[in-house]
Amino acid sequence: NAGVTQTPKFQVLKTGQSMTLQCAQDMNHEYMSWYRQDPGMGLRLIHYSVGAGITDQGEVPNGYNVSRLNKREFSLRLESAAPSQTSVYFCASSQVRDFGANVLTFGAGSRLTVL
Amino acid sequence: GQNIDQPTEMTATEGAIVQINCTYQTSGFNGLFWYQQHAGEAPTFLSYNVLDGLEEKGRFSSFLSRSKGYSYLLLKELQMKDSASYLCAVRDRNYQLIWGAGTKLIIKP
Repeated sequence: NAGVTQTPKFQVLKTGQSMTLQCAQDMNHEYMSWYRQDPGMGLRLIHYSVGAGITDQGEVPNGYNVSRLNKREFSLRLESAAPSQTSVYFCASSQVRDFGANVLTFGAGSRLTVL
Repeated sequence: GQNIDQPTEMTATEGAIVQINCTYQTSGFNGLFWYQQHAGEAPTFLSYNVLDGLEEKGRFSSFLSRSKGYSYLLLKELQMKDSASYLCAVRDRNYQLIWGAGTKLIIKP
């Protein structure tokens, strides 16, 4: 059982370049989300999705777009990367969002550096 | 604004007990979570509290006081593998998770 799979694990971009982070889960989860983690700060929610074709903004959505074409996959796109987007990105999923001990399962993370 | 406070770093000795505190100020409350994150890895779920009191799970226990906006994670019989960051997160009235910056726990032999 793979859980949550993220690619790529590492990426170096130049300012202005674009890229897409891919995330797939095989747990039949409805809820998927993208976080960024920066030193000295808590995880910050970028975008989330409660089902296929449904996405919404989190705390720090600017500069990012997402796509949830089906239940399994949730991608994060940086259209024009900026040095401020240098971070570790985590995809996380859960059965639902709003109920009980709704445990998030995280992917292994993608370390992005923007020069 | 919403805020989660945890100590930045703590040091403890192998075999001892350590308590990691978390205080929060959020817009509403719908549960508190503790996650463990080893360096360079993903966070993994440890515990969940929604009612006041202590939840025990093996060597780890988590306590919640909603009236005080306070929780702690208690780790007993510390092992070297417990060296990690411990993240406190509160689910607010909109069911969004608000995360603390994490407490880095260093275990010494």
